Amino acid sequence: GENVEQHPSTLSVQEGDSAVIKCTYSDSASNYFPWYKQELGKRPQLIIDIRSNVGEKKDQRIAVTLNKTAKHFSLHITETQPEDSAVYFCAAGGLGDYKLSFGAGTTVTVRA
Amino acid sequence: NAGVTQTPKFRVLKTGQSMTLLCAQDMNHEYMYWYRQDPGMGLRLIHYSVGEGTTAKGEVPDGYNVSRLKKQNFLLGLESAAPSQTSVYFCASSGTPAYNEQFFGPGTRLTVL
Repeated sequence: GENVEQHPSTLSVQEGDSAVIKCTYSDSASNYFPWYKQELGKRPQLIIDIRSNVGEKKDQRIAVTLNKTAKHFSLHITETQPEDSAVYFCAAGGLGDYKLSFGAGTTVTVRA
Repeated sequence: NAGVTQTPKFRVLKTGQSMTLLCAQDMNHEYMYWYRQDPGMGLRLIHYSVGEGTTAKGEVPDGYNVSRLKKQNFLLGLESAAPSQTSVYFCASSGTPAYNEQFFGPGTRLTVL
């Protein structure tokens, strides 16, 4: 089955700086890569996703890049704000598949 | 719409006791999932269902059973709880597999003593 590794496990950044989280996956058949954000005590919520026919996708201050050859994808948060403090999970799945495999999560802390 | 709801929010069990967690969704989603979340281990899939009357094993199914008698409900059962099942349990649902976005419930925090 799919194995997703996520790094780093914790990340502390100064407010206004950028944050980057990287994930690798093992199954070359995976072609759907979502990112979920989980605030303390809350449920995970989708913030952005990318499909394999696209190399990069942006939504305001967040962006995701995908390198299918190397089997890795990354989340980029620019101009970080205190409300960006949360746990972020990457995941991988096949379009038309029923399941997602999640990474272990990255705890992001934005320092004021 | 309430989205995905879970009952109960918190529960404390003694080793060997049984319980059922209920997940309900009002989005007419075909696919439903049960995950457990443990520190440093992300979200691990326990069981899932691709439609009413169907269930399948995920990554960590041992010690759990599920049922999907109605499309909107997905039940997770623990027949004989063990301390290793202390965790936060999340239910999720998904509409079309081609899109794959999963909508999560608020979670159930279970402690087994």
